[in-house]
Order: sequence, then C-alpha cells, then structure tokens
Amino acid sequence: QQQVKQSPQSLIVQKGGISIINCAYENTAFDYFPWYQQFPGKGPALLIAIRPDVSEKKEGRFTISFNKSAKQFSLHIMDSQPGDSATYFCAASPWTGTASKLTFGTGTRLQVTL
Amino acid sequence: NAGVTQTPKFQVLKTGQSMTLQCAQDMNHEYMSWYRQDPGMGLRLIHYSVGAGITDQGEVPNGYNVSRSTTEDFPLRLLSAAPSQTSVYFCASRSLQGMNYGYTFGSGTRLTVV
Repeated sequence: QQQVKQSPQSLIVQKGGISIINCAYENTAFDYFPWYQQFPGKGPALLIAIRPDVSEKKEGRFTISFNKSAKQFSLHIMDSQPGDSATYFCAASPWTGTASKLTFGTGTRLQVTL
Repeated sequence: NAGVTQTPKFQVLKTGQSMTLQCAQDMNHEYMSWYRQDPGMGLRLIHYSVGAGITDQGEVPNGYNVSRSTTEDFPLRLLSAAPSQTSVYFCASRSLQGMNYGYTFGSGTRLTVV
C-alpha cells in the first residue's frame, strides 16, 4: 500500500516560475514531513522539513505548506532555476525518538527550462 | 569527508549468485537503513537498524539479509539474486540523538541481475 502519494510524476517549469509538488498521506501517526532532492547519479539529500505544529516553513526559495486536516503537504519552489532540475521526494514518518522509518513518495522529476 | 560510503557503485550479477553491498558511515549514527529505488516507485525500505546487534525488516525485506556488528557498518546481502532485484540501492543513516532527523544517503549501488 502506498502511504504517501506524490504528484505530479514530472513537471516542466520555465526559469523564474513557481514549481509546486503535492503529497498526501494516510497514516495519522505521521508527524514529520521532509522533502529530499536528488540529482542524477547521487543519493537524495534533505532539502527542507516540517512538523505539523506549523502550517508553513520557508527556507530561501523553498517553502513547505502543510494542511493537517486534509493530510496534505506541498513543496513550492519560487523563482525556479535550471539548477533546481532534479527529482524531488516527499516523505513522512512518526516523530519518535528512535526508529522513525521514513516512507517516501514516488518522486517528481522537475525540469526547469531557460 | 564525513558521510555514507557505499561500494560497489555498479554490479552485474547472474541469477542465483550472491553478493554483499557494503555501507559504512563515519558520523557515529545509530540508525542505518537500506532502500531500493525503482522507477515510479520511489524509495522503499528494505531493512534498518537502530544500533549494533539490532536489525528489523522494512517494507520489502524478502531476498535480503542484514547484520550490524559495528556502529559504522551495515552490509546488505543478496543470498540468491533474482532479476526482480535489479535496482539502485541506497544506504542511509541518521543520528538518534537530538532533534536532527535528516537522513544522510550514500551515492548508491546500481545492481543489474541478468
């Protein structure tokens, strides 16, 4: 069963535009929601993360929006740049002190064109 | 450089052969895990460990064995390789201390089973 659903599968955005990737989860025990960025041939790297005590978190051009009642969260990339072209994964896990296993979405391949 | 080191980077196996994917981290992270990445399926957890001598199954453990004899190393063993195990394998670690929940991923092992 897929506990974290991610969309779209691929996305093409012009330079300077806004990229939006959405995720939805089912498990109400999830209360930690990170986003990972992966470049070709590399492992994923943590980009930004949020906990449900806030509805939004911003770091530079990257913003997570979180809707607890709808069990949805999204990544917004403002002023998208060609260097942002990568695959993005949302993920979720319980916020525990020990084995918080991350469940990943299926990924979104973002291409930012000139 | 501190991080997660995976070897080999590429491997081709024949059906039925066995092999071990190596993973080592030098950050003294208690938690280590193995994921496989397949197109359209995101990252799926195979096995994980919260410390030396402690391992547990993830979402897709069949056909894989792990052990954790030291904090630094977490090898993944394929006992009898099958074409369905063709994938990119990532090792990831994180600290269980403090509030930093970010995973550090290795650069991956691309495995082809023919």
